[in-house]
Amino acid sequence: AQKITQTQPGMFVQEKEAVTLDCTYDTSDQSYGLFWYKQPSSGEMIFLIYQGSYDEQNATEGRYSLNFQKARKSANLVISASQLGDSAMYFCAMRELTTSGTYKYIFGTGTRLKVLA
Amino acid sequence: EAGVVQSPRYKIIEKKQPVAFWCNPISGHNTLYWYRQNLGQGPELLIRYENEEAVDDSQLPKDRFSAERLKGVDSTLKIQPAELGDSAVYLCASSLVRRQSSYNEQFFGPGTRLTVL
Repeated sequence: AQKITQTQPGMFVQEKEAVTLDCTYDTSDQSYGLFWYKQPSSGEMIFLIYQGSYDEQNATEGRYSLNFQKARKSANLVISASQLGDSAMYFCAMRELTTSGTYKYIFGTGTRLKVLA
Repeated sequence: EAGVVQSPRYKIIEKKQPVAFWCNPISGHNTLYWYRQNLGQGPELLIRYENEEAVDDSQLPKDRFSAERLKGVDSTLKIQPAELGDSAVYLCASSLVRRQSSYNEQFFGPGTRLTVL
């Protein structure tokens, strides 16, 4: 079963507008972490933002914010004031604690964002 | 500070040939990850090292894949023999895992794009 679900394979947004990329997750753990990464055409994964399961406030990093709704198990990424350089693939990921006491990361299938001039 | 370095960036081989990828993590990072990313998909973990110990290799196809992390620093991932289905981008990432921290951000290298003909 998918543990990270990104239902939007592709999204368009007009430059300077805000856009929300959806992510839902599935875990029975109480302690976990949620990440968003950006992957431009060059291929490198760039860390954007992190939300811990016990964090009471939504994470924000510059133009990025994470709309964390724990009861609904969703961790949507909001990009405000979109720029042409935001065009890329965006991946949601979850970090779980394994039975061996180490961490494991699980990625979604990604959303391709295209910012229009 | 230098990021995660991977080489080669691109590799084209014929099926049944061996291939090796090299990764140099960020200095001081104790945890190293190898991921495989198929076209249009998110990264999938192959193996994770904490220092020189492989703590999670459950997703590594051990009949043809092998990995090592010498002295807990550089790592190599090998495929022998390669199959057509191994064509993908192989990503290396590293992090400084602190037990008392819930953050543990991963930093990714640019990846090696493997094409098996």
